[in-house]
Amino acid sequence: DGGITQSPKYLFRKEGQNVTLSCEQNLNHDAMYWYRQDPGQGLRLIYYSQIVNDFQKGDIAEGYSVSREKKESFPLTVTSAQKNPTAFYLCASNLQGGEQYFGPGTRLTVT
Amino acid sequence: AQSVTQLGSHVSVSEGALVLLRCNYSSSVPPYLFWYVQYPNQGLQLLLKYTTGATLVKGINGFEAEFKKSETSFHLTKPSAHMSDAAEYFCAVRSALGGADGLTFGKGTHLIIQP
Repeated sequence: DGGITQSPKYLFRKEGQNVTLSCEQNLNHDAMYWYRQDPGQGLRLIYYSQIVNDFQKGDIAEGYSVSREKKESFPLTVTSAQKNPTAFYLCASNLQGGEQYFGPGTRLTVT
Repeated sequence: AQSVTQLGSHVSVSEGALVLLRCNYSSSVPPYLFWYVQYPNQGLQLLLKYTTGATLVKGINGFEAEFKKSETSFHLTKPSAHMSDAAEYFCAVRSALGGADGLTFGKGTHLIIQP
């Protein structure tokens, strides 16, 4: 079955710690995206990548970092500089010009 | 630049009644339009999409939407609501010319089904 996997489903961290969220896809999609979802605010774009070894900042990139060393993988690191990291994080991918396919999400709680 | 406005953060209908979720978009180029559904603590699932051709688009679970260019709208409808339709619905737009930064989403509409 082709799809997008995100792990873990739930993640808990202490304030001041960096944490990395995993996103893997076997759809052979070139483009991958990270969104943050907060209640009542819809989806906000954090970072996106069109090809391996290249990525661009989205609307709310501050406090986050990414890498794209393989086509299948696009991990997101939430750094200690992110002031309000508790949120639901969604990874997506698409073929050029096509609809986006989403992973199941990771709910991050920082205390 | 593109934007999406979903009218009503919460919509409540009775089971069996018509579902109407409103979406208006702004785009300076021909748009591709999408509706996604999200169940609690899950990712988004594509309901339907408009790219080119027929302006009335049918999707999964009995939903359909009509692209009206003159009104810049893409409202989602379903003739008869079912309890299982209770979820969050997102309208999204992207440029038909290709957009490196993907889709622009509305803030979502939470659909509540009353028994």
